[in-house]
Amino acid sequence: DAGVIQSPRHEVTEMGQEVTLRCKPISGHDYLFWYRQTMMRGLELLIYFNNNVPIDDSGMPEDRFSAKMPNASFSTLKIQPSEPRDSAVYFCASTNYAQAFFGQGTRLTVV
Amino acid sequence: ILNVEQSPQSLHVQEGDSTNFTCSFPSSNFYALHWYRWETAKSPEALFVMTLNGDEKKKGRISATLNTKEGYSYLYIKGSQPEDSATYLCALETGTASKLTFGTGTRLQVTL
Repeated sequence: DAGVIQSPRHEVTEMGQEVTLRCKPISGHDYLFWYRQTMMRGLELLIYFNNNVPIDDSGMPEDRFSAKMPNASFSTLKIQPSEPRDSAVYFCASTNYAQAFFGQGTRLTVV
Repeated sequence: ILNVEQSPQSLHVQEGDSTNFTCSFPSSNFYALHWYRWETAKSPEALFVMTLNGDEKKKGRISATLNTKEGYSYLYIKGSQPEDSATYLCALETGTASKLTFGTGTRLQVTL
């Protein structure tokens, strides 16, 4: 397995634009997590899914953020409209109940 | 809101030094404690998962201990090497959802 795959690796966008981040979890993992990493707050959990169903989205900062998991092999995190304070590294992780495996992250810069 | 704290925030040691850092967490609702190693521009990599009070895990020169009653875990690195330079994250797992709450990490820099 290639591990958790995220795309794009880097994204630079203008304020107000829509941004979509993508994640492909490891096959067979039932849980998928979206994290955001900033200097100020470290790694924060945004939302997680179990068997494609959103379980806890209390970490999603605002209504501008939304996440979907249409099937077991794909998830998206969308920001619309994006703002400069959304600039961060966004990580996706999936778990086999023993440990979480992380993707390499998407570095988002909103200018 | 769970509060997982790590100290120190950063650490600078010389090659060959042994070092340790701390992760503290609320002891209620404990399920497991995870340690991750995170190198710059890479994804966090799992080091240990510990569940039992008194657990001690070892991987090469790195080891970790767990005290669930008082709510802390120590990570030790013996004879630090430059390749140990990374941010070390601990994460508390509560319940059965494998949901991890991370500390802000200890950034270790090992110089020659």
